[in-house]
Amino acid sequence: GQNIDQPTEMTATEGAIVQINCTYQTSGFNGLFWYQQHAGEAPTFLSYNVLDGLEEKGRFSSFLSRSKGYSYLLLKELQMKDSASYLCAVRGNSNSGYALNFGKGTSLLVTP
Amino acid sequence: DGGITQSPKYLFRKEGQNVTLSCEQNLNHDAMYWYRQDPGQGLRLIYYSQIVNDFQKGDIAEGYSVSREKKESFPLTVTSAQKNPTAFYLCASSPRQGIAFFGQGTRLTVV
Repeated sequence: GQNIDQPTEMTATEGAIVQINCTYQTSGFNGLFWYQQHAGEAPTFLSYNVLDGLEEKGRFSSFLSRSKGYSYLLLKELQMKDSASYLCAVRGNSNSGYALNFGKGTSLLVTP
Repeated sequence: DGGITQSPKYLFRKEGQNVTLSCEQNLNHDAMYWYRQDPGQGLRLIYYSQIVNDFQKGDIAEGYSVSREKKESFPLTVTSAQKNPTAFYLCASSPRQGIAFFGQGTRLTVV
């Protein structure tokens, strides 16, 4: 099975940096994904890690430590439009059809 | 344009009725997935399919059924056996071990 934990809510100021943590326990690991979801909309892909280390993609970066079962998403130069829910997901192995298992999401509020 | 399309966007169901949610993709992806999202909950896996004519139950398959007769299509039927069907339903597709992309979702309400 999978157990994926992330904070429920976070608040940050426009222009600042915020780090959203995700810890997981899994019986099969085949990559960790981050998605952004605005209210009432579908999740959109942000970042993906399969090996340990940092992946940078513009204002967004994601880090993975497989030995610690830990990932974080780093958002820099926050903008008001970054207010959304951020979903951490672990991809299983072939036994689960490589399906994504999601945490409950972190709701980020960016304030002026 | 390539993409994944869900329809309808909003759906209302009476108690005891079966309803079918459509999901079509033209991305040539092998795998397709159905998730359910409730307020304050993460996405929960209902069914998945890795190839045509084959599908597997996810974590919350009871009260749902699917088919995969074509690579492009993976419809989900919410049956009367599903006791609490009001939710936001999301369909996704991916290449094998690739990035999953989501449709725009169907919001189902029981009236």
